Amino acid sequence: KQEVTQIPAALSVPEGENLVLNCSFTDSAIYNLQWFRQDPGKGLTSLLLIQSSQREQTSGRLNASLDKSSGRSTLYIAASQPGDSATYLCAVRREEETSGSRLTFGEGTQLTVNP
Amino acid sequence: NAGVTQTPKFQVLKTGQSMTLQCAQDMNHNSMYWYRQDPGMGLRLIYYSASEGTTDKGEVPNGYNVSRLNKREFSLRLESAAPSQTSVYFCASSEALNNEKLFFGSGTQLSVL
Repeated sequence: KQEVTQIPAALSVPEGENLVLNCSFTDSAIYNLQWFRQDPGKGLTSLLLIQSSQREQTSGRLNASLDKSSGRSTLYIAASQPGDSATYLCAVRREEETSGSRLTFGEGTQLTVNP
Repeated sequence: NAGVTQTPKFQVLKTGQSMTLQCAQDMNHNSMYWYRQDPGMGLRLIYYSASEGTTDKGEVPNGYNVSRLNKREFSLRLESAAPSQTSVYFCASSEALNNEKLFFGSGTQLSVL
């Protein structure tokens, strides 16, 4: 069974700092990996989607990397801002689940960026 | 363009009561999903609909039923609510089942007493 772990569970940084959020998964046979953002009382917003054949994806100040062999992904946030404060979740889809929709989610890292 | 709209936002039920959570999307997506989010458990898939006219069980379907009313709407029904169903429920949609980004609604916070 695929398990997804995100460490740390919470992170507090000063504004302007570059930071890295971590996601690890136990089964390296994945189809893709997504990073989401969740604001309090809101749904999830997809930030970046990395296919299993890709090493990284970039969107603005965000860069996500994927290392399938080691079962790890990182989300790099450059020059953090208070508006980046949210919970960040990663989710993986395993290769044999492409016929359905069985994403396995991590529990997220709650990020606070202090002004 | 509202995206994914869920109603209601909050609901309190007594054990044994029934209710239906509504979800609609205006992005012409083929696939729709219902998830629940619980502390310590993350998000878990309840049911999904790959396309209009089809529905399939997810990871935790017991105690729930769904209806894909048309391409836009996907409802989740609790026939006899139990305290274990206290959770935050999210509806989501995507263009297709695989290889696509998910778009989420803002959630329904349900408490069963």
